[in-house]
This record gives sequence, C-alpha cells and structure tokens, in this order.
Amino acid sequence: TQLLEQSPQFLSIQEGENLTVYCNSSSVFSSLQWYRQEPGEGPVLLVTVVTGGEVKKLKRLTFQFGDARKDSSLHITAAQPGDTGLYLCAVGNQFYFGTGTSLTVIP
Amino acid sequence: DTGVSQDPRHKITKRGQNVTFRCDPISEHNRLYWYRQTLGQGPEFLTYFQNEAQLEKSRLLSDRFSAERPKGSFSTLEIQRTEQGDSAMYLCASSLGVDSYNSPLHFGNGTRLTVT
Repeated sequence: TQLLEQSPQFLSIQEGENLTVYCNSSSVFSSLQWYRQEPGEGPVLLVTVVTGGEVKKLKRLTFQFGDARKDSSLHITAAQPGDTGLYLCAVGNQFYFGTGTSLTVIP
Repeated sequence: DTGVSQDPRHKITKRGQNVTFRCDPISEHNRLYWYRQTLGQGPEFLTYFQNEAQLEKSRLLSDRFSAERPKGSFSTLEIQRTEQGDSAMYLCASSLGVDSYNSPLHFGNGTRLTVT
C-alpha cells in the first residue's frame, strides 16, 4: 500500500485553465513537501508546508496543507506549458514520495 | 556546478551482470538518499545515509542491492545479478540536516539503467 496517494494520476489541460491536484494519506505528518520533476531531471522542491490549514502561494501555484495534516492540495491558476511535469508530494525524514501526478499543459 | 552529480547517466547491461552507480552529493550535505523511479511514477525510497552510517534500508530492497558511503562523501549503489525488473531510473539526493522541513532534498539527474 502506498503511504501517499496522489490524484489524478494523469492530467492534460489547455493553456489558461485552472487545475487542482491532491495528495492524500491516512497518516498524520509534521510537514509535507511538493516537488516538480521534468523529463530527464531529478525532482525540484517547490514548497514545504508545516502547519495544519496552512496556505502558501508561489506565483500561480497555491499549496494547502489539510487541517489534520493528512493531506495537501496544489492549485495552479492559468496553467502554462512551462508547468508541464510530474508533481510529487513527499513526507518524512526518509522523504517518502507519492504516486505522482503527470501534468501536460497544451499550448 | 556544486549540485548533486551521478555517474553514469545511462547504463545498458545484460541480465545477470553486476552494475555500480556513483553519486557525489553537495559537499556540505551529510544526508544522502537513493531512490528508484519507473516512468510516470514517484521515486521509490531505497536507502539513506547520515554521514557514513546507513540509517534505513527499504524492505523492498532485495539482497542483490547494496549501497555504501565509506567516507561520508560520495556513495555507490551496486546491483548484483541484474534482472529485467531492475530497469529504472536510479536517483540520488542529498540534504543538509535532520529536519526535513529545513533541509529539502537536492536531486541529481539520475542514472537510467536498462537490463536486456
């Protein structure tokens, strides 16, 4: 069983659309990180959330940590082709990763 | 460039052969991690080191896999008697400290292994 389930697994949208991806678990975490990975490269950190209910914004990306610190969401406003990539959530000192959401933004 | 480097970038080997990959972390980072990733999936944790000590090893890691970090700097991951199911991207990452909040992972670009 996966510690972190991400949904949807695949997402293909037109440029300019909004989208939300989710990271869910039955466990409680002290912090959670979001990474983005482009083909042929390693994942790169986007943000770390720590407090239940916390919302962080990074330009057009909005990250939220669930009140119970078991889940998180990533919302992208007005998606651009440069947002294309694999979005990953991760937890723990061992950095266990979720199953990932592969996003394609079509120009 | 002072990022995490991995060598080789690509490795093609025949089933049954042994392979070894190298990872050079960011120099001041004391934690080093190995992951395996298949296409479109999230990285799967294999093992990690604090300096030269191997602190945790995934139960999914068979005894054909071994990792070392002898001097607390670079690390090697060896796979013995490779199988086709070992074909994947092997990622290395490093971090500065103990607290994941203050010490995110910095990844290399991986070694892609193909077992024929």
